[in-house]
Amino acid sequence: EIVLTQSPGTLSLSPGERATLSCRASQSVSSSYLAWYQQKPGQAPRLLIYGASSRATGIPDRFSGSGSGTDFTLTISRLEPEDFAVYYCQQYGSSPRKLTFGGGTKVEIK
Amino acid sequence: QVQLVQSGAEVKKPGASVKVSCKASGYTFTSYGISWVRQAPGQGLEWMGWISAYNGNTNYAQKLQGRVTMTTDTSTSTAYMELRSLRSDDTAVYYCARDGRLTGTTHYWGQGTLVTVSS
Repeated sequence: EIVLTQSPGTLSLSPGERATLSCRASQSVSSSYLAWYQQKPGQAPRLLIYGASSRATGIPDRFSGSGSGTDFTLTISRLEPEDFAVYYCQQYGSSPRKLTFGGGTKVEIK
Repeated sequence: QVQLVQSGAEVKKPGASVKVSCKASGYTFTSYGISWVRQAPGQGLEWMGWISAYNGNTNYAQKLQGRVTMTTDTSTSTAYMELRSLRSDDTAVYYCARDGRLTGTTHYWGQGTLVTVSS
């Protein structure tokens, strides 16, 4: 069973700064099946990135995903006030259908 | 547009069961499966399982096997998740979610249903 470990647990940054979030898998993950989500308090998760690097519809281009194998990264190029939230990586498989989430990284205002 | 509307909050006693519904609209219900994900207070996201709305096939998270049942009613485009033998650590917000056509993973989410287990 794949385990996803996200780091750091909390990232304290100021608006305008660059955020780099890490997701490490316990075994190799197909890049086609790695996603990133944003979640704000009281809201459902919002899909940002799928297939490791493709932005979902309507997601600003300051969000980018990269990586392969066991190491994946979500980068927010310049933090906007609305970007302070918790971010989760997710591995998804299709046969059988299964999802695995990382523990999350909180991006907070410094 | 795709919408998933879940049933309201529930308060249950330990040992009881809860059944949460997820009514879908804006697409052909049988074309996509439904995943269920829960989130305990202040904690991360936990996948509970998935059901095919086409043929009812399911895949449950191992830790919930035997306590969870997912079903669908295609006549009303509604998915259900029943959890039995509730414990205090089942207190969580429960979400249903559907894959995106292009994204291949959970893209559309319900608003969440808070289930509180307390004596």
